[in-house]
Amino acid sequence: DGGITQSPKYLFRKEGQNVTLSCEQNLNHDAMYWYRQDPGQGLRLIYYSQIVNDFQKGDIAEGYSVSREKKESFPLTVTSAQKNPTAFYLCASRSGPGGGYTFGSGTRLTVV
Amino acid sequence: AQSVAQPEDQVNVAEGNPLTVKCTYSVSGNPYLFWYVQYPNRGLQFLLKYITGDNLVKGSYGFEAEFNKSQTSFHLKKPSALVSDSALYFCAVRDSTGGFKTIFGAGTRLFVKA
Repeated sequence: DGGITQSPKYLFRKEGQNVTLSCEQNLNHDAMYWYRQDPGQGLRLIYYSQIVNDFQKGDIAEGYSVSREKKESFPLTVTSAQKNPTAFYLCASRSGPGGGYTFGSGTRLTVV
Repeated sequence: AQSVAQPEDQVNVAEGNPLTVKCTYSVSGNPYLFWYVQYPNRGLQFLLKYITGDNLVKGSYGFEAEFNKSQTSFHLKKPSALVSDSALYFCAVRDSTGGFKTIFGAGTRLFVKA
């Protein structure tokens, strides 16, 4: 079945550490997105990519980085510059201009 | 700028009764409107969308939504609620004129009591 796979499901980060969240899709979608979800705040856009080798900052990009070397993959790195990284991270892709999103099952990141 | 408002943090309804989850939006061009549902510790699932055409759109699990341009609303409805409908619901909007960013509301938690 086509879909989006996020890994790991749970991730623990020590202070000062960079961690990378994986997002892989087999839907042949061009556009991919990373959102952060905090309780009561809905989803906030971190980065998005419309095509391979191209990506743009979203509303809360500081302390995060991404790459888009392959159409199927859009990993997110949470750097030590992100001071409050504890959150639920969601990756999504979209098929076309009027399409809805397909979401992965999320990664819960906790700072220890 | 685009924005979405879900005025109710929580909606409580008895099983078998109709339910409504409210959503209003603001967008400069014509809107693409979406509803998603999220169960605990899971990603969001697409329920339905309005792109153009009929103002009443039908989606998954018996849900429907009505697009009202004059009131800039897109309320989610279901004629008869089930306990299994209890979840977090998100309304979202995207500008149809080439927008790549979708803006999500803060979410409304639906509790359906048996």
